[in-house]
Amino acid sequence: KQEVTQIPAALSVPEGENLVLNCSFTDSAIYNLQWFRQDPGKGLTSLLLIQSSQREQTSGRLNASLDKSSGRSTLYIAASQPGDSATYLCAVRYDMRFGAGTRLTVKP
Amino acid sequence: DADVTQTPRNRITKTGKRIMLECSQTKGHDRMYWYRQDPGLGLRLIYYSFDVKDINKGEISDGYSVSRQAQAKFSLSLESAIPNQTALYFCATSDRSYTEAFFGQGTRLTVV
Repeated sequence: KQEVTQIPAALSVPEGENLVLNCSFTDSAIYNLQWFRQDPGKGLTSLLLIQSSQREQTSGRLNASLDKSSGRSTLYIAASQPGDSATYLCAVRYDMRFGAGTRLTVKP
Repeated sequence: DADVTQTPRNRITKTGKRIMLECSQTKGHDRMYWYRQDPGLGLRLIYYSFDVKDINKGEISDGYSVSRQAQAKFSLSLESAIPNQTALYFCATSDRSYTEAFFGQGTRLTVV
């Protein structure tokens, strides 16, 4: 049974800092891994999708890496801004299982 | 119009009542999913469907049932609602090649 863990559960940083969010999974036989952002009480917005054959994906200030053999992915956010404050979730496929998320607060 | 539409957006119901949450999508995707979200627990998979004739239980299917009426429609039913089913429910879709998944805006369900 696939289990997905995200560390830390919450993170508070000053504006401008670079930061890393972590996602680990127990079964390395995945098709892909997707990072999402969720604002309070809202739906999920897709940020990045990494296929199992890829090592990383980049979009603007976001960079996600994938190491299937060790069961880990990281989401790197450069030059954080208050607008980045949200909960970040990772999900792994075959059947799209989620971690509990990291709640990020970026202080002005 | 949204690609993935959930109805209703908010619902309050009484213990013991049957309730159906509906999801429709315009993306032409084969795969559809139902999740519930509770504070601090992330999203937990209830049921998923890879096509109209392929429906599978997820992590927490007890107390729930689903119906895939068409490629574009996937409904979640609570046969006899109980208070601990109070949660935010999300529907999602993805295509056959396991590319990007898309989510609806969620249904906030309260069972009193």
